[in-house]
Amino acid sequence: EIVLTQSPATLSLSPGERATLSCRASQSVSSSLAWYQQKPGQAPRLLIYYASSRATGIPTRFSGSGSGTDFTLTISSLEPEDFAVYYCQQISNWPLTFGGGTKVEIK
Amino acid sequence: EVQLVESGGGSVQPGGSLRLSCAASGFSFSSYAMHWVRQGPGKGLEFVSAISSDGGRRQYASSVKGRFTISRDNSENTLSLQMDSLRPEDMAVYYCARYGGDSGESALDFWGQGTLVAVST
Repeated sequence: EIVLTQSPATLSLSPGERATLSCRASQSVSSSLAWYQQKPGQAPRLLIYYASSRATGIPTRFSGSGSGTDFTLTISSLEPEDFAVYYCQQISNWPLTFGGGTKVEIK
Repeated sequence: EVQLVESGGGSVQPGGSLRLSCAASGFSFSSYAMHWVRQGPGKGLEFVSAISSDGGRRQYASSVKGRFTISRDNSENTLSLQMDSLRPEDMAVYYCARYGGDSGESALDFWGQGTLVAVST
């Protein structure tokens, strides 16, 4: 089973700042990695697929990069609605696995 | 508009059974693989099970293999999850989600609102 490790666990930032979230896989997943955003009481929302492709309707301030084992989600300038928990998921090998999440909180 | 609506959650004793359903609308259900993902209280997301568009291929997390069975009815646009021998650690919100496909958004692009399964004495 591929283990995804997200860091940091919590990121404390102010609106307007840049957020950089990391996801590391225990073995290569090529570019088969997705990112999701989840707000309290809501279902997850797809942000990024294939490591760097934005999903439909996702603002351009969200970007993904990386391949192999190291991936990054960047939010270029945090908006108030971006404070949430972010999960990565590998779509390369069964069973599909998620990272433990990074909470982006208001500083 | 794509909609996924889960139902069937509730409270059950350890060792009991529940059957979850997910009603899909707004897209060609028979063209998409479907997944179940769960989230324990205060925890992260966990893959549970997946089924191919025609129902011919199924995948399970090791934690539920042999106890849970995924199925679909493409004539009724419904996804199901039969959960037997439930354990306290199965307590979670269960989400159904659509897999966007290898030629589309290759991830879980639409999610239901979730249904809560509680397992306790």
